[in-house]
Amino acid sequence: SSELTQDPAVSVALGQTVRITCHGDSLRSYSASWYQQKPGQAPVFVIYGENNRPSGIPDRFSGSSSGNTASLTITGARAEDEADYYCNSRDRSGHVFFGGGTKLTVL
Amino acid sequence: EVQLVESGGGLVKPGGSLRLSCVASGFTFSRYSMNWVRQAPGKGLEWVSSISSSGTFIYYADSLKGRFTISRDNAKDSLYLQINSLRVEDTAVYYCVRPETLSGWHNFEYWGQGTLVTVSS
Repeated sequence: SSELTQDPAVSVALGQTVRITCHGDSLRSYSASWYQQKPGQAPVFVIYGENNRPSGIPDRFSGSSSGNTASLTITGARAEDEADYYCNSRDRSGHVFFGGGTKLTVL
Repeated sequence: EVQLVESGGGLVKPGGSLRLSCVASGFTFSRYSMNWVRQAPGKGLEWVSSISSSGTFIYYADSLKGRFTISRDNAKDSLYLQINSLRVEDTAVYYCVRPETLSGWHNFEYWGQGTLVTVSS
């Protein structure tokens, strides 16, 4: 199956560390990418290739992967990190899949 | 600066058709695969379709195959999405997306601002 599963909601205290996970069989073969989306805005690309950050993404964002699970970690969460986070990946036929998204609340 | 500007959205009745366009600038369009991703109101992201740099290889989400047609005109730096037999559930913001590198098929680095398609009678 190429489905990607994410927890619908996660919360973190200001300044603490939070991990957002993404599960799927395709992750055993292909890395996940991660996107941040704030209300009314287009998604922003934050992590790719397990742990690469595009230019301009703070280093408090990091990625990792093990087996069928990819993770996005935010170390020292800030208020502005409150957003929806999506993972995506692909399968061998070129189809792309998104996880259902995780709503991150910073307390 | 990479820019992707979508157009063509609007209000359409069920059963109608629309052609969405995306004009790209700031990079060599003909060297990149391109994609459409949509987002229904209050819902998550849904991949719609991908097209290779030359247009040779085309892929669609299984649930959407048959009514959607992706195409591109490299001479005009433009990407298109033709949607036929529109349904209420096609109501969404449609994003034009470019990947991170020439081979980063699903690494969606650049997103347009989106164009809203509303299907309603």
